[in-house]
Amino acid sequence: SQQGEEDPQALSIQEGENATMNCSYKTSINNLQWYRQNSGRGLVHLILIRSNEREKHSGRLRVTLDTSKKSSSLLITASRAADTASYFCATPSNTGNQFYFGTGTSLTVIP
Amino acid sequence: NAGVTQTPKFQVLKTGQSMTLQCAQDMNHEYMSWYRQDPGMGLRLIHYSVGAGITDQGEVPNGYNVSRSTTEDFPLRLLSAAPSQTSVYFCASSDQATNEKLFFGSGTQLSVL
Repeated sequence: SQQGEEDPQALSIQEGENATMNCSYKTSINNLQWYRQNSGRGLVHLILIRSNEREKHSGRLRVTLDTSKKSSSLLITASRAADTASYFCATPSNTGNQFYFGTGTSLTVIP
Repeated sequence: NAGVTQTPKFQVLKTGQSMTLQCAQDMNHEYMSWYRQDPGMGLRLIHYSVGAGITDQGEVPNGYNVSRSTTEDFPLRLLSAAPSQTSVYFCASSDQATNEKLFFGSGTQLSVL
């Protein structure tokens, strides 16, 4: 399988705390993407980081990428109850025709 | 702009029945794909298409057929449903030129008894 893996599988934090989740992948990549899935809904694209970038910010999101370790991390700062969701990393194949998703991290933010 | 629309939202089938999951997008995306999501397994690609008339297999294609007669529509057919096909199915599309951002439908929850 080409799937990556997220770590931890589940994370529970208090509102206002930071949440960090990690993703490991298996093949060389052009970019890595993070998606959010609210319960019972489809996935929503959050942020993309290219293979030549080490860090990227978008609002309260910070993504890092270490291609030598084939890993990425997603940091959500000052978490809110509305951030409660599952988070997935995804990497496209070399042709860009297939996307490989990790197994996801379930984040619960307690008000 | 509706984005990606999937129907039905819920479906219960008996083993051996056939059905079609519908997917339509109004963003003029060339790339469309079908995933299934199972607990602890993440999303797995079933089939994908890079344009009208072109389809290809993903990671778990067995038991499923697809066709792409128009840019807008990408139906997924279950030929003879099996309990192992109980899952949540998602359709996703993207702009083939960049292929950097998938847009997902809201999903179809399928139970096969």
